[in-house]
Amino acid sequence: GAVVSQHPSRVICKSGTSVKIECRSLDFQATTMFWYRQFPKQSLMLMATSNEGSKATYEQGVEKDKFLINHASLTLSTLTVTSAHPEDSSFYICSAREGFRHDSRYEQYFGPGTRLTVT
Amino acid sequence: GEDVEQSLFLSVREGDSSVINCTYTDSSSTYLYWYKQEPGAGLQLLTYIFSNMDMKQDQRLTVLLNKKDKHLSLRIADTQTGDSAIYFCAEGANAGNMLTFGGGTRLMVKP
Repeated sequence: GAVVSQHPSRVICKSGTSVKIECRSLDFQATTMFWYRQFPKQSLMLMATSNEGSKATYEQGVEKDKFLINHASLTLSTLTVTSAHPEDSSFYICSAREGFRHDSRYEQYFGPGTRLTVT
Repeated sequence: GEDVEQSLFLSVREGDSSVINCTYTDSSSTYLYWYKQEPGAGLQLLTYIFSNMDMKQDQRLTVLLNKKDKHLSLRIADTQTGDSAIYFCAEGANAGNMLTFGGGTRLMVKP
């Protein structure tokens, strides 16, 4: 089956620094990747949708200058949290969609998540 | 906007059936999904159903869809302790497009 990895799985950073999270599709080409954020005991909130080679589309209320998304290749998208603050501490999950299969079961494949703690 | 709601918590005994319910508001939803999330982990797709179906069975899992009432349920037969997790329903207008998630139902299975 399709596998999506995220790196790192856990990261602790100091307030004011930036941290990059990678999302990779390991055995398929992901034309579209999604970034979600999950607060403790809450559901997932879509942050942005990124299509390979173009700018990400951010959901309302998500600061694009703070959460920089790059989807430079068909297998890699990165989320950079700039000038992180404690309120950015959260579980970040990416998902990837395979772009070119003509298959009605066109699901998203989720990564294992990255837990960010900002001290 | 779209809204997906679930009850927060369900407790069952091992061997019993579990039924997790979900309601949604977007009538254009064409794909409805059930995901399982174990502690500290990402999401695992359990099953999905197209909106033109009313039932889908996959081993111990049965999904029922009442499109008129916009009600989705997931039945887990012979629930095991390993089924303890948070279960999210999600809807999407198109396959593979952005999903709107419910708040998640925490299933606790007692031995």
